[in-house]
Amino acid sequence: NAGVTQTPKFQVLKTGQSMTLQCAQDMNHEYMSWYRQDPGMGLRLIHYSVGAGITDQGEVPNGYNVSRSTTEDFPLRLLSAAPSQTSVYFCASSYGLTSHEQYFGPGTRLTVT
Amino acid sequence: QQQVKQSPQSLIVQKGGISIINCAYENTAFDYFPWYQQFPGKGPALLIAIRPDVSEKKEGRFTISFNKSAKQFSLHIMDSQPGDSATYFCAATAYSGAGSYQLTFGKGTKLSVIP
Repeated sequence: NAGVTQTPKFQVLKTGQSMTLQCAQDMNHEYMSWYRQDPGMGLRLIHYSVGAGITDQGEVPNGYNVSRSTTEDFPLRLLSAAPSQTSVYFCASSYGLTSHEQYFGPGTRLTVT
Repeated sequence: QQQVKQSPQSLIVQKGGISIINCAYENTAFDYFPWYQQFPGKGPALLIAIRPDVSEKKEGRFTISFNKSAKQFSLHIMDSQPGDSATYFCAATAYSGAGSYQLTFGKGTKLSVIP
């Protein structure tokens, strides 16, 4: 089991560029989510999905899009990168819709200049 | 609006000492209180968790104390070791209304255990 994997590990973007952060899990988890981590702010939920074809917004969704075409993959798209999106992004998954334990990926460090 | 308040922001403890991190919440709908541990360059990982119907849970050197009436809970690390140096996040979950639970995190405590 690879668990939750994320690519890339590091990325530098210029303001206005778009990109997709990849997330995949091989645990057959139904619930997947994206968080951003900023110094002194903890982890804040961006978007989440309770299953293939179903997504919803979290606490800080603006500037991000998601889709869930398969159980395994949950990509996060930045439509037009802004310096305020400089952060570390974590993808997480959990087994079942009522599972409280989330498994986190290793993160993607994004810098927007 | 921060729903889970965590303190202190940073903590330095001597090896062998007790590390204590405190959290408080307002939302009475929270029904599960996990603690996550994060080492530099890694994602958070579940350390220990408690439900509000118990006042204490112990796993090895880690103990959660829970005070439902005060809406507070804390993590105690006994006999702290340099390998415990990490950032610790308290969290709380509540039913999201979309068929799942959502985690709300505190802002984290950076623990340094010095020899």
